[in-house]
Amino acid sequence: EIVLTQSPATLSLSPGERATLSCRASQSVSSSLAWYQQKPGQAPRLLIYDASKRATGIPARFSGSGSGTDFTLTISSLEPEDFAVYYCQQRSNWVTFGGGTKVEIK
Amino acid sequence: QVQLVQSGAEVKKPGASVKVSCKASGYTFINYGISWVRQAPGQGLEWMGWISAYNGNTNYAQKLQGRVTMTTDTSTSTAYMELRSLRSDDTAVYYCARGVATTPFDFPFWGQGTLVTVSS
Repeated sequence: EIVLTQSPATLSLSPGERATLSCRASQSVSSSLAWYQQKPGQAPRLLIYDASKRATGIPARFSGSGSGTDFTLTISSLEPEDFAVYYCQQRSNWVTFGGGTKVEIK
Repeated sequence: QVQLVQSGAEVKKPGASVKVSCKASGYTFINYGISWVRQAPGQGLEWMGWISAYNGNTNYAQKLQGRVTMTTDTSTSTAYMELRSLRSDDTAVYYCARGVATTPFDFPFWGQGTLVTVSS
């Protein structure tokens, strides 16, 4: 099973700041990595797939990068609605999710 | 538009079984597989497995092998997930999710979730 490790566990930032979230895979997943946003009481929302492609309707302030084992989700300037939990997910070998990063208001 | 509508909340006793349904609409059901993902209270996401709506082929997470069964009913465009021998740590929100043709395991489409509570 491919293990995904996300860091940090919690990111405390203010609106307008840049957020950088990390996801590391225990073995190469090539570019088969996605990012999701989840708010309380809601299903996850797909943001990024294939490591760097934005899903339909996702604002340009969200960007993904990386390949192999190291990946980054960047939110260029945090909006109030961006404070949530973010998960990475690989589909190189079936599916696993990372443990999540909570982006909270500082 | 694609919709996945799940059955309602369940309360079960330890050792019992639960069967959650996921009714699909807005697309040709047999063209896409369905994955099931669960989330324990305050915890992260756990992929449980996948079923092809075309031929019923399945792949289950190793952790759940022997306790989970995923099925589909193509006549009603509904997917089912049954979990047996329930334990307290099976308490979670259970989601069905669907991918797209080119990336069946990236999930832009989700059901609303079904809370399963296991308690004596």
